[in-house]
Amino acid sequence: GDSVTQMEGPVTLSEEAFLTINCTYTATGYPSLFWYVQYPGEGLQLLLKATKADDKGSNKGFEATYRKETTSFHLEKGSVQVSDSAVYFCALTIHFGNEKLTFGTGTRLTIIP
Amino acid sequence: NAGVTQTPKFQVLKTGQSMTLQCAQDMNHNSMYWYRQDPGMGLRLIYYSASEGTTDKGEVPNGYNVSRLNKREFSLRLESAAPSQTSVYFCASSEGRWGTEAFFGQGTRLTVV
Repeated sequence: GDSVTQMEGPVTLSEEAFLTINCTYTATGYPSLFWYVQYPGEGLQLLLKATKADDKGSNKGFEATYRKETTSFHLEKGSVQVSDSAVYFCALTIHFGNEKLTFGTGTRLTIIP
Repeated sequence: NAGVTQTPKFQVLKTGQSMTLQCAQDMNHNSMYWYRQDPGMGLRLIYYSASEGTTDKGEVPNGYNVSRLNKREFSLRLESAAPSQTSVYFCASSEGRWGTEAFFGQGTRLTVV
């Protein structure tokens, strides 16, 4: 079946540090890939996405590149801020007409000043 | 912009009680979903509805029922609550087309004692 494996957390970094959160996937078809972010007490919101191989999604300084050869979609940011503290979820959908998301387990990120 | 609205936000039930979680979206989306979020498990799909009048089981449907009342509304019912159903429940909706994102409600925190 379809699955997403995320880097184990929690992750704690100092402000302005470089961030990488690893995400790999297995898929029965051709997936679209997503990163969602969940701030404390809130629902999930889309951070970025990529729908085909070699596409790069970007938003708010975060980037991720769809790598079909390594089945990966790692999240990166060059300089994190305290406001980036949240839980990050990697997810995929396979086009079967319903677009249900399969999520990774989430990575809790804490940025300390 | 209302987006996806869930009610209630918090609920405490006794074992064996029933309740219905309500969800409504105002984006004219075709697809709607119910997920549960548990620590270390990510989000797991309970049920989804690809269009008005259709529903399908997800990964963890046991103990739940759903109703797609119309295009806007998708409710989740617990007929006889169990402590294992203590969780945070999220409703989501999407256009249902390839590569489109899902929009999430704020969540319902349910405790079964």
